[in-house]
Amino acid sequence: AQSVAQPEDQVNVAEGNPLTVKCTYSVSGNPYLFWYVQYPNRGLQFLLKYITGDNLVKGSYGFEAEFNKSQTSFHLKKPSALVSDSALYFCAVRGNTGGFKTIFGAGTRLFVKA
Amino acid sequence: EPEVTQTPSHQVTQMGQEVILRCVPISNHLYFYWYRQILGQKVEFLVSFYNNEISEKSEIFDDQFSVERPDGSNFTLKIRSTKLEDSAMYFCASTPGLPNTGELFFGEGSRLTVL
Repeated sequence: AQSVAQPEDQVNVAEGNPLTVKCTYSVSGNPYLFWYVQYPNRGLQFLLKYITGDNLVKGSYGFEAEFNKSQTSFHLKKPSALVSDSALYFCAVRGNTGGFKTIFGAGTRLFVKA
Repeated sequence: EPEVTQTPSHQVTQMGQEVILRCVPISNHLYFYWYRQILGQKVEFLVSFYNNEISEKSEIFDDQFSVERPDGSNFTLKIRSTKLEDSAMYFCASTPGLPNTGELFFGEGSRLTVL
């Protein structure tokens, strides 16, 4: 069975500073990993994914994530945070069989202060 | 840009009533999903659907829930007899023909309030 852990309920960062939102995962076989963002009263929007290849993947809005197989982590990063990045961020993992369901972490709320 | 559309955006119902939530996935997508989110918290998998049948379902998706793709474009979630704990935001999502590597495209959600 696959699972995802986001150890921080909330991350606070000042505008212009780098941000990291943490994620660890557990899955049998090759991990397919995703980050999504949710703004208030909206659906989830895809940010980036790791399927194979380079461990550093780049996505929308300047976000990137680093896949670390030995630590089973997939942390989301951005070099310089914007106030508009404030939102709820979900890490997700997909299995390789059955209905290919995607399992989401509990979410991390990011606050970027001006 | 193509998008997943969901109706209604908000539905209020009495406990024990039947509710149907509707979704129109992106037209060339083949895999469809329902998720729910309670109080803006964790996003929970309900069911996946491919080739007109359920591929996988969670423990939440009990006999009170059903899904259907009645006409090749709509994808519906029915709750036969709603309970208070069914109050949540329900999201429809779809992916194209590579379900393991493709990202989910979500609708804006249907908020269900059970009184």
